[in-house]
Amino acid sequence: EVQLVQSGAEVKKPGESLRISCKGSGYMFAYSWIGWVRQMPGKGLEYMGIIYPDESETRYSPSFQGQVTFSVDKSISTAFLQWSSLKASDTAIYYCARLIDAHFDHWGQGALVTVSP
Amino acid sequence: QSVLTQPPSVSAAPGQKVTISCSGSSSNIGHKYVSWYQQVPGTAPKLLIYDNDRRPSGIPDRFSASKSGTSATLGITGLQTGDEADYYCGTWDSSLGAGEFGGGTRLTVL
Repeated sequence: EVQLVQSGAEVKKPGESLRISCKGSGYMFAYSWIGWVRQMPGKGLEYMGIIYPDESETRYSPSFQGQVTFSVDKSISTAFLQWSSLKASDTAIYYCARLIDAHFDHWGQGALVTVSP
Repeated sequence: QSVLTQPPSVSAAPGQKVTISCSGSSSNIGHKYVSWYQQVPGTAPKLLIYDNDRRPSGIPDRFSASKSGTSATLGITGLQTGDEADYYCGTWDSSLGAGEFGGGTRLTVL
């Protein structure tokens, strides 16, 4: 069974750094793109970008280029989403999802990130 | 502001049928596959439809979808209270070089 399990909720202050994780299991993690999706409070889904674990190739949505960093550790089948300096506007739920062809077929449970002074 | 336009809300009575539209352009829906996702409040999105009109295993045939030109439509028949959720269309945009989701449609089963 394909599963994506994300790290838990985080509460941070503006300016702090953060890395959240997404661990895949039940499939060959290295050979499927992983996507990241943001959902701000009460809002819709926003595509952030994707990463291919085998080569660490990344493709960022223009809206998120330079704002976040995607990375992976193939040895532990885990993808990461990282911020170097959080802002209050980064408060949101972040989902990882497996990309197959042109759709996201399995999703993580989401990780709530709260940035507050 | 998404490049894919969905109605903010739709509603219908139990047992009835509802359709949700997703309007795009030639740089996205016009030349790319469309997928649909269901998000029950407080939970993660779930894939309902992929490649315009295909259902993953486990998705009942009450859910169907189609695409024509630069628009796509999700249909749900035999509405149940459990279908109350937000529904999102998704595709890829060649001019943006990125994926896109519609703004989402809240379905209320009256």
